[in-house]
Amino acid sequence: DGGITQSPKYLFRKEGQNVTLSCEQNLNHDAMYWYRQDPGQGLRLIYYSQIVNDFQKGDIAEGYSVSREKKESFPLTVTSAQKNPTAFYLCASRISGDTQYFGPGTRLTVL
Amino acid sequence: AQSVAQPEDQVNVAEGNPLTVKCTYSVSGNPYLFWYVQYPNRGLQFLLKYITGDNLVKGSYGFEAEFNKSQTSFHLKKPSALVSDSALYFCAVREASGTYKYIFGTGTRLKVLA
Repeated sequence: DGGITQSPKYLFRKEGQNVTLSCEQNLNHDAMYWYRQDPGQGLRLIYYSQIVNDFQKGDIAEGYSVSREKKESFPLTVTSAQKNPTAFYLCASRISGDTQYFGPGTRLTVL
Repeated sequence: AQSVAQPEDQVNVAEGNPLTVKCTYSVSGNPYLFWYVQYPNRGLQFLLKYITGDNLVKGSYGFEAEFNKSQTSFHLKKPSALVSDSALYFCAVREASGTYKYIFGTGTRLKVLA
């Protein structure tokens, strides 16, 4: 899991609540990513950021928001507009090469 | 559209036997291909990648992968499987558009039987 931390490890959300997942890296990587993992579906890209103060939507951005105010931090907010948020969320970072390095993940459950 | 396919949901192999986890891809331009492994409730760990050069790529934990351009495949292999290799394996390809987006396969669960 390298120098990427995600917190919390487990998160429970009530319907109608917004929750924020933390992702921090001390690898000095420029790019950061958020993925959602569901059983049998692999990883799907939610948002990604190539540099500070810039980010782009991935394939399933609806109901999610992000910010990239600092190089080392890329928090993901799951809003109440996300109708099926229960999933395993993975953050990754990448330096100028091609390899992504992943955090340990956050498991979000809607109660 | 670029895509990655892992045709097997699960692969079972006896300990000590060789293993193969299959991956085929569809990309425009030169492919950038990756293999990752995931243990339960953990993030993905990088195993190896193919960017250019030799078709046989060696990676971590004794794994290797063979790039075959004519068959558009990038199969993961290991000569002798260990029980500890049991995990979920993902193949991925980087989009050639320059956006540095990655497309992942649906994953193959490898089960090594003692």
